[in-house]
Amino acid sequence: KQEVTQIPAALSVPEGENLVLNCSFTDSAIYNLQWFRQDPGKGLTSLLLIQSSQREQTSGRLNASLDKSSGRSTLYIAASQPGDSATYLCAVRPLGRGSTLGRLYFGRGTQLTVWP
Amino acid sequence: DTEVTQTPKHLVMGMTNKKSLKCEQHMGHRAMYWYKQKAKKPPELMFVYSYEKLSINESVPSRFSPECPNSSLLNLHLHALQPEDSALYLCASSQPRGRNSYEQYFGPGTRLTVT
Repeated sequence: KQEVTQIPAALSVPEGENLVLNCSFTDSAIYNLQWFRQDPGKGLTSLLLIQSSQREQTSGRLNASLDKSSGRSTLYIAASQPGDSATYLCAVRPLGRGSTLGRLYFGRGTQLTVWP
Repeated sequence: DTEVTQTPKHLVMGMTNKKSLKCEQHMGHRAMYWYKQKAKKPPELMFVYSYEKLSINESVPSRFSPECPNSSLLNLHLHALQPEDSALYLCASSQPRGRNSYEQYFGPGTRLTVT
């Protein structure tokens, strides 16, 4: 069974710092990997989706990389701002159809606080 | 438009009540999902509908009954819930085919409290 681990569990940084969030997964047979942001008590906002054939995706100050063979992904946030404070979740979708259709395996998230 | 809407935002119900959660998307997605999320935990998959047919049921108790009336709507009918069912219920949708297939879009959730 796929297991997804996110390190660190929590991170507190001053505004302006560049930071890296880590995600690792145990089974490299994935279809894609998705990074989400979740504010307290709210739904998940999709930040970046990386297909298994891709190495990285960028959106604004966010850059996500994927090394499928080693089972790792990183989310890089440049010039962090207080508005970036949230929980960041990574999720992998395994290959295969049938019983695995639609299934995402989530990490437990990294709770990020950016202080002014 | 990448919006998934959910109603109500908050719901308080007694253990003998019957209520329903609603989810709607107009992105033409043909896969829709229900998740349950407890505080400080990741979302847990409950049900998946693909082309309006139930394709995954994660051994969810029968007091939760999903329904997909059409390709845009997803309901979750609740009956005789327990206090431990209190959680944030999230709906999501995705396109099962195409370049970014399976990218899931989530709604804002319904905060359910069972008293």
